[in-house]
Amino acid sequence: GAVVSQHPSRVICKSGTSVKIECRSLDFQATTMFWYRQFPKQSLMLMATSNEGSKATYEQGVEKDKFLINHASLTLSTLTVTSAHPEDSSFYICSARGVRLTRQETQYFGPGTRLLVL
Amino acid sequence: QKEVEQNSGPLSVPEGAIASLNCTYSDRGSQSFFWYRQYSGKSPELIMSIYSNGDKEDGRFTAQLNKASQYVSLLIRDSQPSDSATYLCAVNINSGYALNFGKGTSLLVTP
Repeated sequence: GAVVSQHPSRVICKSGTSVKIECRSLDFQATTMFWYRQFPKQSLMLMATSNEGSKATYEQGVEKDKFLINHASLTLSTLTVTSAHPEDSSFYICSARGVRLTRQETQYFGPGTRLLVL
Repeated sequence: QKEVEQNSGPLSVPEGAIASLNCTYSDRGSQSFFWYRQYSGKSPELIMSIYSNGDKEDGRFTAQLNKASQYVSLLIRDSQPSDSATYLCAVNINSGYALNFGKGTSLLVTP
């Protein structure tokens, strides 16, 4: 079953509004969460890395004031796209790294959130 | 910019044949290599991970790694139509846990 959830799965918003995407690890504590973005016909591109309780580390070219990441607990990270514009329309995918019941540490991807900005 | 390169395809193979997917990477410091399968509109699903030179087999899948040549491949034996998807090669970034993905190879298995 799913071990990482994302909410919402799909969102349509007007240009200029802000959108919050939640990423939750369901049965393990995620020490690190990653946020990726995928444009049509392109690969996943890492946006930022977040560790619980500390500031996120953003990749070059990703505006930290536009893409606000909060990793307030070991099971929840949020990505807020502020003042969204049509060019922010994309598939946003989180992944979480931590130790599951098998005691194996690995990385699990969420199901993704498709954002469409009109 | 450290690159992960894949042939975009599409790669078309008949059902029951072996599909061979290839990937090269530029970062010699990379330690971890992954193959993900992605269906249209869905999130990537881990198929294989490999960390040492040589072959690693899991069911119908075999991953091959050659660090000297900076090359990793995935073989799918007895290909099934349900294997039709985009296969993403991913390599860890800067010895960390974040991943650098290739653009993916589209595989089509025809009945």
